[in-house]
Amino acid sequence: QQQVKQSPQSLIVQKGGISIINCAYENTAFDYFPWYQQFPGKGPALLIAIRPDVSEKKEGRFTISFNKSAKQFSLHIMDSQPGDSATYFCAASPEQGAQKLVFGQGTRLTINP
Amino acid sequence: NAGVMQNPRHLVRRRGQEARLRCSPMKGHSHVYWYRQLPEEGLKFMVYLQKENIIDESGMPKERFSAEFPKEGPSILRIQQVVRGDSAAYFCASSRRGLGNTIYFGEGSWLTVV
Repeated sequence: QQQVKQSPQSLIVQKGGISIINCAYENTAFDYFPWYQQFPGKGPALLIAIRPDVSEKKEGRFTISFNKSAKQFSLHIMDSQPGDSATYFCAASPEQGAQKLVFGQGTRLTINP
Repeated sequence: NAGVMQNPRHLVRRRGQEARLRCSPMKGHSHVYWYRQLPEEGLKFMVYLQKENIIDESGMPKERFSAEFPKEGPSILRIQQVVRGDSAAYFCASSRRGLGNTIYFGEGSWLTVV
């Protein structure tokens, strides 16, 4: 019940295309859903986060879509660029425990020029 | 993740030795968290500390692992009698306050046990 399942494990997208990464969760107490971007040898950096009172949040080329009834959320990267090549992690936590994040397994994204 | 300082960045230890990882939180942050990342896996929560207090250690292995965040100085994650399975990246994160606040990660300490 504490798991967050992320797919796909790896993804290759052409430059300019849309990258889509999906996550699903079981614990209905989760109500904070961040996405992190990690480059090799670096720590995860917060990219964008959503709370379940909205179904979509957009920041620049990055959009989170959230489906509370299906307990699923996804990250869309529009106009994907080679510099977006990284590993992306979804995560979830209860609002009252936002520091105790449960992470997905990660998606290694490669954007081909 | 700028501002959370971890050292050493890379550490090699022989089996049975001790590993000490240090973390200085971002300026103004008084809450520290440690996560572990095994190769090709996501991060797993280990422990949450405030100054001089362990708030939640539910993710810490019961033996050989300990953490502290003293009144003065950095937080320290200590692993005694390391084994090969302890080889991982250990990430520290910090936040200004605890509940409901965004946490920011450091660049990690990569422990290799040989």
